Formats: sequence, C-alpha cells, structure tokens
Amino acid sequence: DAGVIQSPRHEVTEMGQEVTLRCKPISGHDYLFWYRQTMMRGLELLIYFNNNVPIDDSGMPEDRFSAKMPNASFSTLKIQPSEPRDSAVYFCASSLLAFYEQYFGPGTRLTVT
Amino acid sequence: RKEVEQDPGPFNVPEGATVAFNCTYSNSASQSFFWYRQDCRKEPKLLMSVYSSGNEDGRFTAQLNRASQYISLLIRDSKLSDSATYLCVAPGSGNTPLVFGKGTRLSVIA
Repeated sequence: DAGVIQSPRHEVTEMGQEVTLRCKPISGHDYLFWYRQTMMRGLELLIYFNNNVPIDDSGMPEDRFSAKMPNASFSTLKIQPSEPRDSAVYFCASSLLAFYEQYFGPGTRLTVT
Repeated sequence: RKEVEQDPGPFNVPEGATVAFNCTYSNSASQSFFWYRQDCRKEPKLLMSVYSSGNEDGRFTAQLNRASQYISLLIRDSKLSDSATYLCVAPGSGNTPLVFGKGTRLSVIA
C-alpha cells in the first residue's frame, strides 16, 4: 500500500524563482496537511485541507505561499517568489480524520540561494 | 505557554539504559496524543498512540497525566537503533488538529 508521495525530493533554486511542491495523500484519507520543518522552529503547520477544501491557512507565512487541492489525490504548495529564508524541509501528511494519526511523506528539501 | 513543549536534549545514554521523556501540553480538552520518531533526514513516523490508561509496546511505554497535562515516553533496554528524535504530539487550539513538539534528541551509545 503506497504511503504519502511527494515530489521533488530535493529542489535547489535561485531567489525570485517560483517553486512548486507536489503531494499525493494516502487513498481514502480525507485530511491533507502541509508542514515546514527547520532546526529553529521545528515542524510548523502551514495549511490543511478537509475533503479538498482549505480549512486553516493561518500558518502560511505570507502571500508568497499558496496551496491548492484540486482533487482528493493531489495537492500543491507554491512559493512565488522564493527567498533564501524559505529554505527548509516541506512535508505533506494525510490522515483519516482530524485528530487521528498523520502519515508523512518523505519531504521535499528546498534550498533557495 | 507553548501548546506542546519538550526538553530538546540531547539525551546521551548507554546501551541497555532506561530513558524517559516528558512533554507538556496546554489544551486541557485534548483527547488525542501520540509519540512520533524521526530519524536524521527522514520524515516523522508514528511510534505509538497514547491512551488515557497508559499503554505499552514492547520496550516502549507511554503515559498520560491529565491533571498535570503531560505525557511521557519510557524506553527500556535502549538499543543503538533507538537513536533518533522523538516528537510529542497533542491537539492544538482553534482550528489546529494536532501540534508537534520540537522533539527530544536521543543518542544511544555503545
């Protein structure tokens, strides 16, 4: 049974470029979460969806960040324009219900130079 | 008070030792608690759920203390392979379903 799939696994880009991260949740999971992890701040929730609808995006740092979930099996997190302080590991996770355990993808390691 | 707080460590313990981690949470209405394990440069993985009555899984025991609002993880007979960061998880406030602590780093030394 496939787990959460993320792509790309690594992304190196220059400041000002657009970055798009992709996620496929576990089939049948109604909740999808986007997290950012850094040494300083730990794992931060950016946004989450329930049945493809964004529920809480209060963790999105600023307008440069946007996320979509066009269907139950695909979500994107976009950063435009990217900045060096966006460098982090971005994880996607999914769960059956809101307070159930979450299953994480392998993450995308983003470096913005 | 932060929603979930953990001692960052690191905890350096010899093989075979018993080690305990504590984690405090602020949402007194919390119902769901978990411990996750994260290896270096990997994703967090569920280690165990934490039930009100406490639960055990092999060498691992999780406890919940609602009165003091903390959960604990006890690892007995530590193995080298237990070296990782352990993340405490509790429900958040407002619309946030779950909040992850920053993690406690464990190094088991031969």
